[in-house]
Amino acid sequence: NAGVTQTPKFRVLKTGQSMTLLCAQDMNHEYMYWYRQDPGMGLRLIHYSVGEGTTAKGEVPDGYNVSRLKKQNFLLGLESAAPSQTSVYFCASSPGGPETQYFGPGTRLLVL
Amino acid sequence: EDQVTQSPEALRLQEGESSSLNCSYTVSGLRGLFWYRQDPGKGPEFLFTLYSAGEEKEKERLKATLTKKESFLHITAPKPEDSATYLCAVCTGGFKTIFGAGTRLFVKA
Repeated sequence: NAGVTQTPKFRVLKTGQSMTLLCAQDMNHEYMYWYRQDPGMGLRLIHYSVGEGTTAKGEVPDGYNVSRLKKQNFLLGLESAAPSQTSVYFCASSPGGPETQYFGPGTRLLVL
Repeated sequence: EDQVTQSPEALRLQEGESSSLNCSYTVSGLRGLFWYRQDPGKGPEFLFTLYSAGEEKEKERLKATLTKKESFLHITAPKPEDSATYLCAVCTGGFKTIFGAGTRLFVKA
């Protein structure tokens, strides 16, 4: 049982490049989330999903898109990366509602 | 504006020296308050959920309590392996969850 996994672990992008972060969970959870974590700030919710085929905006959705085509996967896309998107990105899942979220190990993204 | 503030930012303890971490919140409505532990380079790990004032939860050397305005994470006789960043988060309804910036705990042997 791997829990929540994230790919890649680390990535360097140039301004304007695009990329997709992959999150996978094997716990059959309905709910999945993408957060970003910046120094001195709390985790901030980017987008979330309450089930396969659904997505919704969180606190800081601008510049990001998401897709949940399969229940176990939640993809986060950056269409045109900006230096302000340099951060550590965490994916999480939960069986029902925002309580008891299980987090992945994170993806460290550096945008030059 | 909904806000979660954790104090202190950092706390240094000797092994066995008990202390408390504070999480104060100002929100329009509390659905639940959560505590997580985060080790360097890793994702947060769930510890507790508290739903109403007066509620307490315990796990090993940790005990979380909740009042109408704040929550405390009490650490009894800490060990070096308790060193981590402890995050507090508040859910105000729907999926709106606000995280505090965390308290970095260092426990020296």
